[in-house]
Amino acid sequence: LAKTTQPISMDSYEGQEVNITCSHNNIATNDYITWYQQFPSQGPRFIIQGYKTKVTNEVASLFIPADRKSSTLSLPRVSLSDTAVYYCLVGDPRLDTGRRALTFGSGTRLQVQP
Amino acid sequence: DGGITQSPKYLFRKEGQNVTLSCEQNLNHDAMYWYRQDPGQGLRLIYYSQIVNDFQKGDIAEGYSVSREKKESFPLTVTSAQKNPTAFYLCASSIGFGYKWDSHYEQYFGPGTRLTVT
Repeated sequence: LAKTTQPISMDSYEGQEVNITCSHNNIATNDYITWYQQFPSQGPRFIIQGYKTKVTNEVASLFIPADRKSSTLSLPRVSLSDTAVYYCLVGDPRLDTGRRALTFGSGTRLQVQP
Repeated sequence: DGGITQSPKYLFRKEGQNVTLSCEQNLNHDAMYWYRQDPGQGLRLIYYSQIVNDFQKGDIAEGYSVSREKKESFPLTVTSAQKNPTAFYLCASSIGFGYKWDSHYEQYFGPGTRLTVT
């Protein structure tokens, strides 16, 4: 399974754009990149998923360079409610025979200040 | 409303006792998962099930057991063999594995059960 590396923590202020980068040097051809958000004492929530280039939805954008060895989650104009832990996962979410489920690392703890 | 329910939210047990955590989903998902989370840590996969009557060990299955007799239910038993059972337990489900190259599914999580063993 591809190992991911992301910063342990980040600080930001309300209204700023936050970019969280995840490194995954040994990503495999079939792997997708998925980001989750987790608030304290709650289960994680899916944010965005992508394979290459750029993906955008109503809450975030995901930038993936051509070599796919890293990815960047971009949160536009964060608010206090975006304070959470963000997990970068790399793998094939399909559970065909022989494949493993996605692995959550320790994530990036984002603290948004007023 | 569709979703995943876990009960109870808080559970207290004495050391040496087995305890079963409930997980039910009405999303009609094929795949279900159990994770453990310790304070300040990420999630670690205990068991997962791709389909009814099938389940696979995750990274930390020792001391745990599961069953998948019904599509909507995936109970987790924490046995007395689990050395350090106090933790936050999360259940999740996803549509399931697919055979198409571009089929990739997100996991939906329940609210969690916080187990304390003393």
